[in-house]
Amino acid sequence: EAGVAQSPRYKIIEKRQSVAFWCNPISGHATLYWYQQILGQGPKLLIQFQNNGVVDDSQLPKDRFSAERLKGVDSTLKIQPAKLEDSAVYLCASRAGSRNTEAFFGQGTRLTVV
Amino acid sequence: AQKVTQAQTEISVVEKEDVTLDCVYETRDTTYYLFWYKQPPSGELVFLIRRNSFDEQNEISGRYSWNFQKSTSSFNFTITASQVVDSAVYFCALSEVFILTGGGNKLTFGTGTQLKVEL
Repeated sequence: EAGVAQSPRYKIIEKRQSVAFWCNPISGHATLYWYQQILGQGPKLLIQFQNNGVVDDSQLPKDRFSAERLKGVDSTLKIQPAKLEDSAVYLCASRAGSRNTEAFFGQGTRLTVV
Repeated sequence: AQKVTQAQTEISVVEKEDVTLDCVYETRDTTYYLFWYKQPPSGELVFLIRRNSFDEQNEISGRYSWNFQKSTSSFNFTITASQVVDSAVYFCALSEVFILTGGGNKLTFGTGTQLKVEL
C-alpha cells in the first residue's frame, strides 16, 4: 500500500512570495489533515477535510492560507503572501475515516521563508 | 476543548535504561482515542499504538509498554532497555468524536518529548 505522498520536500522562498504544497493521501482515505509543525513544537492542525468538505479550519490563518481538496482525493495548501513565521514543516496525513483508526503521515514539506 | 500535555520536553538516558514518557489529556467526550507517534530525525511521524477510552488494559509490545489510566487522564509510554535507535521525538495524541456537531476525528497532538539515548 502506497503511503501519503507530499511534494515538494523542501522549499525556500522570500517573504511576501507565494507557495503551494501538494498532498496525495492513501487511496480510499476519507479524512485528510494538514498540520504545521514549527521547529521544536508539536504538529498544529491547520485544516481537516472529510472527503472534499472542510470539517475544521478554525486554526487556519485564512487571510493568507488556503486549502482545497477537489474530488475528495488530492489536496493543495497555499500560502500567499508568506511571512517569516510561516517557516515550518507542513505535514499531510490521511485516515480511513473510522474514528478508531490511526492517521498516516507523509514526510512533510520543509518551508523556509527568508 | 481537547488538550494533550507532555510535560517532559527532553529526556536523556544511557542505553539499556528504562524510560517513561508522560502524557496527560483533557477531553469532554466519553468516547475518544489515544495515540503515540514517533518522529525520528528523518521527520516522518510513525504510528506506534492506539487505545480507545473503554479499554484500560495495559499493553506490551516488545520493549514498549503503555499504561492507560482514565482516573488520572494519563497515557504513559515506557521503553524498557532503551537503545540508541529509540532516540526520537515522541508525540501523544488524542482523537475525539464530535457526535453532536457532526464533525469528528479531530486529532490533537502534545508538544512532544525529545528522547536521547546515549551509549
